[in-house]
Amino acid sequence: GDSVTQMEGPVTLSEEAFLTINCTYTATGYPSLFWYVQYPGEGLQLLLKATKADDKGSNKGFEATYRKETTSFHLEKGSVQVSDSAVYFCPTGGFKTIFGAGTRLFVKA
Amino acid sequence: DAMVIQNPRYQVTQFGKPVTLSCSQTLNHNVMYWYQQKSSQAPKLLFHYYDKDFNNEADTPDNFQSRRPNTSFCFLDIRSPGLGDAAMYLCATSRPEASLYEQYFGPGTRLTVT
Repeated sequence: GDSVTQMEGPVTLSEEAFLTINCTYTATGYPSLFWYVQYPGEGLQLLLKATKADDKGSNKGFEATYRKETTSFHLEKGSVQVSDSAVYFCPTGGFKTIFGAGTRLFVKA
Repeated sequence: DAMVIQNPRYQVTQFGKPVTLSCSQTLNHNVMYWYQQKSSQAPKLLFHYYDKDFNNEADTPDNFQSRRPNTSFCFLDIRSPGLGDAAMYLCATSRPEASLYEQYFGPGTRLTVT
């Protein structure tokens, strides 16, 4: 079945550092891909999405490109802020979304 | 704003005492999901409703049940909570025809079992 492999955390960065969180997937066909973010004590929020190969999703300075050749959807941000500290999830797409453990990001001032 | 609402945000129950968590949505989505998330773990899908059709995950304990009286509301019933059921419970909705499985989450209910 479909699956994703997400970079393990925690990731600790200083403010204004560059962020990459890796996510690779295996799937039959080309499912929509998503990144969700969970801030402390809250539910999950959709951060960005891409629905087909070569699509770039972007939101709040975060970007991810749906790369068919490498089956990847890595999350990037050029300059992180303390407020970006959260857990980031790259689930499988599809009707029954399967979430991995996520990658916890700590950003230090 | 259209949204997913969960009540209460925090719930304390006693060991073995039935508890009901509620979820409502103003998005008019036809799919509603319940997830269980324990500390520092992935959200685990318990079950979902596609319209009125109930779909239970194979490993969801019988202790957990759900009701969806109408499109807007969905309830999670825990018949006899154990200490291991303490977790954050997340409700989510989606409208697959329109949004390709993008899910909208509520803020969650944190359940404590004493």
